[in-house]
Amino acid sequence: GAGVSQSPRYKVAKRGQDVALRCDPISGHVSLFWYQQALGQGPEFLTYFQNEAQLDKSGLPSDRFFAERPEGSVSTLKIQRTQQEDSAVYLCASSLGVADYSYNSPLHFGNGTRLTVT
Amino acid sequence: QKEVEQNSGPLSVPEGAIASLNCTYSDRGSQSFFWYRQYSGKSPELIMFIYSNGDKEDGRFTAQLNKASQYVSLLIRDSQPSDSATYLCAVNLNSGGSNYKLTFGKGTLLTVNP
Repeated sequence: GAGVSQSPRYKVAKRGQDVALRCDPISGHVSLFWYQQALGQGPEFLTYFQNEAQLDKSGLPSDRFFAERPEGSVSTLKIQRTQQEDSAVYLCASSLGVADYSYNSPLHFGNGTRLTVT
Repeated sequence: QKEVEQNSGPLSVPEGAIASLNCTYSDRGSQSFFWYRQYSGKSPELIMFIYSNGDKEDGRFTAQLNKASQYVSLLIRDSQPSDSATYLCAVNLNSGGSNYKLTFGKGTLLTVNP
């Protein structure tokens, strides 16, 4: 595809359910980020992959959150035992390079998954 | 203190005016700075980046960087109603060797009134 694709677009989960959010980055992109964006806030860093290696998971709020990118392309963010405070838009972004997010290799964002926990 | 701070606004300007958006950051070693625009319900898109002190112009947009003051700004000249969006400041913080990490501010909501 031409851009970063995320699915599902919307997800409603009952408190306590597990959810899995998928990200298809642009083919060949090395860097992949997951961000969490609450209403009226900027994107908050969750985790970063360089190819299949998860180099930084310092932003994951708790051990209920888990992310993987096993073959260096598609990534999945899993949230176990969802809580109401997990309600947010989850953004995936990918970039061709590392650390250079200028016009050479800008960060491309997907449209996000809006998670609502009831 | 948050690592990247912005006034959340809303900032309201009349059509044709100059809109000035500001951002401060905490890490003095930061090297690169970005402005993203985010329309309501959409994903962020890159509009400007700046690495060196001074001004950088691209069309109606000018980014200004002052590393001594740890301050970066975005000026939008001849503002149009289509510029109405949230503007996110993002900084490639340089702490702990994590030069891959892009940290965002909470964004400033800009409204341009016709």
